Amino acid sequence: DAGVIQSPRHEVTEMGQEVTLRCKPISGHNSLFWYRQTMMRGLELLIYFNNNVPIDDSGMPEDRFSAKMPNASFSTLKIQPSEPRDSAVYFCASSQRDSEQYFGPGTRLTVT
Amino acid sequence: QQQVKQSPQSLIVQKGGIPIINCAYENTAFDYFPWYQQFPGKGPALLIAIRPDVSEKKEGRFTISFNKSAKQFSLHIMDSQPGDSATYFCAASNGPPCRDDKIIFGKGTRLHILP
Repeated sequence: DAGVIQSPRHEVTEMGQEVTLRCKPISGHNSLFWYRQTMMRGLELLIYFNNNVPIDDSGMPEDRFSAKMPNASFSTLKIQPSEPRDSAVYFCASSQRDSEQYFGPGTRLTVT
Repeated sequence: QQQVKQSPQSLIVQKGGIPIINCAYENTAFDYFPWYQQFPGKGPALLIAIRPDVSEKKEGRFTISFNKSAKQFSLHIMDSQPGDSATYFCAASNGPPCRDDKIIFGKGTRLHILP
């Protein structure tokens, strides 16, 4: 298995632009998680889905952030408009019910 | 009550030494405690995990010690090697292992093993 796939690996954008991060979970996994990692705040859970349905989005910082999972093999995290404080590494992870989470390689986002 | 507190933030140990990373939690509903290891440029990966029905678990050179009454747990790395240099996260969740799928992570410890 290729593991969790994220794209792009690096994204540099200007403040105010829309950013879309993409994730392909491991085939057969029914839970998907989006995390944000910064030096100051560590690893924060933003939102997670179970069977493509959002279960808990309490970690989404504000309305500028949105996430979708249109099918079992694809999810997006969108930031519109982006701000410099959104600069971080964003991870996607997936799991089967009652099993460990497998993380992707992350997307390093820089907003200038 | 959902927090997992981890210390130290960073740790430098000579090769062969035994780094110890400590974590504490408040929520008594937590019943699964994984440790994740993250190398630079990579995502975290599960290293070892424990449930509160045991006080210790060993996997190779990695040992988790668990104190249920104190609500504390720790990771020990025996005979540490430069290749163990990474960031380590403790975590906790409700479930065997993830009944509600959500894992609460500590802030991480950056470990550097000197050659």
